[in-house]
Amino acid sequence: GNSVTQMEGPVTLSEEAFLTINCTYTATGYPSLFWYVQYPGEGLQLLLKATKADDKGSNKGFEATYRKETTSFHLEKGSVQVSDSAVYFCALGLQGGYQKVTFGTGTKLQVIP
Amino acid sequence: KAGVTQTPRYLIKTRGQQVTLSCSPISGHRSVSWYQQTPGQGLQFLFEYFSETQRNKGNFPGRFSGRQFSNSRSEMNVSTLELGDSALYLCASSTYQGGIQYFGAGTRLSVL
Repeated sequence: GNSVTQMEGPVTLSEEAFLTINCTYTATGYPSLFWYVQYPGEGLQLLLKATKADDKGSNKGFEATYRKETTSFHLEKGSVQVSDSAVYFCALGLQGGYQKVTFGTGTKLQVIP
Repeated sequence: KAGVTQTPRYLIKTRGQQVTLSCSPISGHRSVSWYQQTPGQGLQFLFEYFSETQRNKGNFPGRFSGRQFSNSRSEMNVSTLELGDSALYLCASSTYQGGIQYFGAGTRLSVL
């Protein structure tokens, strides 16, 4: 079956530090890959996505590259801010065949001033 | 375009009662999924509906059920509530299965 594995949290960084949150996946077929973010007291919202190998998704300074050879979609940001403190979820989706979107367990990021 | 709307936002129930939560998807979205989120278990998939049919189901007991109406609105029901059912219940809609999920703000259920 499909699965997503992401690094355990919480991750604590100082403001302006470099962020990497690892995500690897297992899927039958060719999935689309997503990163979602959940701020305190809110639902999840899409941060970025990539639909095919070597695509790079980017938004709000965050980036992730779809690496088919390593089945990975690591999230990176060059300089984090306190406002980036949230829970980040990696996910995959396969179009067709009535398959649901599969989420990772989430990684909590805390950025301290 | 209006987002995903979940009602109510907060609920307090006692053990043994039942509860119904409602989700109105984004207009035009035919897929609705439900998730349970707790600090200990994280985000857990409950079920997914597409065109009024349950297409996928997570590993939850039969006390958890749902349905989808012809206008794509969805409800989930939990019968015989237990303390462990206290959680944030999230609904998400999408245009097709496997597509981008648009989440509501959730319903926070507390079981006393």
